[in-house]
Amino acid sequence: KQEVTQIPAALSVPEGENLVLNCSFTDSAIYNLQWFRQDPGKGLTSLLLIQSSQREQTSGRLNASLDKSSGRSTLYIAASQPGDSATYLCAVRPGDDKIIFGKGTRLHILP
Amino acid sequence: DAGVIQSPRHEVTEMGQEVTLRCKPISGHDYLFWYRQTMMRGLELLIYFNNNVPIDDSGMPEDRFSAKMPNASFSTLKIQPSEPRDSAVYFCASSPLGIDTQYFGPGTRLTVL
Repeated sequence: KQEVTQIPAALSVPEGENLVLNCSFTDSAIYNLQWFRQDPGKGLTSLLLIQSSQREQTSGRLNASLDKSSGRSTLYIAASQPGDSATYLCAVRPGDDKIIFGKGTRLHILP
Repeated sequence: DAGVIQSPRHEVTEMGQEVTLRCKPISGHDYLFWYRQTMMRGLELLIYFNNNVPIDDSGMPEDRFSAKMPNASFSTLKIQPSEPRDSAVYFCASSPLGIDTQYFGPGTRLTVL
């Protein structure tokens, strides 16, 4: 059974620092992996999607990497800003039309 | 476009009562998804529809839960009877293409006393 883990559950970082969020999954047979952002009281917004054949995706200050063989993905945020404060969720698609989410990392950027 | 609309945003009810959550997807989106989010279990896919037809309901926790999509612009998730362990935030999402490109609604926070 596929399980997705995100550690740590919460993280506080001073503004301006670069940071890395981690995601691990137990079964490497995935179709793709996606990173989402969730703001308090709101739904999820997709940030980056990495297909299983890809190693990384970039959007602005965000870079997501995927190492399928080791069951790991990272989300790198450069030059963090207070507006980056949110919960970040990682999700894998096992191959069929299912999606399995991690419980997220709650990020707080200190001004 | 207003995005995915969910109502109510907050619902407080007593154990044993029927609860109906509503969702209006983005116009033109053929897929609709229902999720439940709790601290313990995280975000879980309950059921999804394609062109108003339920495709996969394997995530529905038990027979007390049912979902319908009578037309392309409306879906409901019903819990009857409700129990305290059903307390969670329920999200609806829609997509033009499938599970990889979902647009989430703001969620309904359900509290069952």
